[in-house]
Amino acid sequence: TQLLEQSPQFLSIQEGENLTVYCNSSSVFSSLQWYRQEPGEGPVLLVTVVTGGEVKKLKRLTFQFGDARKDSSLHITAAQPGDTGLYLCAGDNYGQNFVFGPGTRLSVLP
Amino acid sequence: EAQVTQNPRYLITVTGKKLTVTCSQNMNHEYMSWYRQDPGLGLRQIYYSMNVEVTDKGDVPEGYKVSRKEKRNFPLILESPSPNQTSLYFCASRLNRNTEAFFGQGTRLTVV
Repeated sequence: TQLLEQSPQFLSIQEGENLTVYCNSSSVFSSLQWYRQEPGEGPVLLVTVVTGGEVKKLKRLTFQFGDARKDSSLHITAAQPGDTGLYLCAGDNYGQNFVFGPGTRLSVLP
Repeated sequence: EAQVTQNPRYLITVTGKKLTVTCSQNMNHEYMSWYRQDPGLGLRQIYYSMNVEVTDKGDVPEGYKVSRKEKRNFPLILESPSPNQTSLYFCASRLNRNTEAFFGQGTRLTVV
């Protein structure tokens, strides 16, 4: 079974700060997805990255897929309380299955 | 509105009492799956289905059954629940294996 690790596990920051969370694996994935999950809800897709080295931006969120397609990062600029949630990465094993990481729980304090 | 609907949202039951969690999607998606989410372990796939009458085991299938008699429905069955099946369960559907997963709102199950 392929494993995805995420770090940090927990992160608590003040509004306006920048942060980066990481998703790492020893396996190569055909694509990688990032989801955000809020309390009492299911995960919601933020982005899919497919090409090694690819960078995608979604307003204040910047996603990068590692050159070797084994890792990814999510950078948030000027975090806001509305960014609070559990951030999950999920790797696509060439259509066989999706593997989810354990998540990074982010808390942005006003 | 495109959605995945799970029922019930909350369930407390006793060990050994059979239960079914229903899942229905209105997007005509082929691929459906069940996950359980536990602290520190993330989402682990229980079973998945690539189409009607086609189901396969995921990473943690022990103690669970599923069926896919219709494209829209994918119920999760616990024949004899045990306390270690206490968890938060999510149903998800995708157009196919490689596309975005749409998740239901979750079912919080407690087995005492």
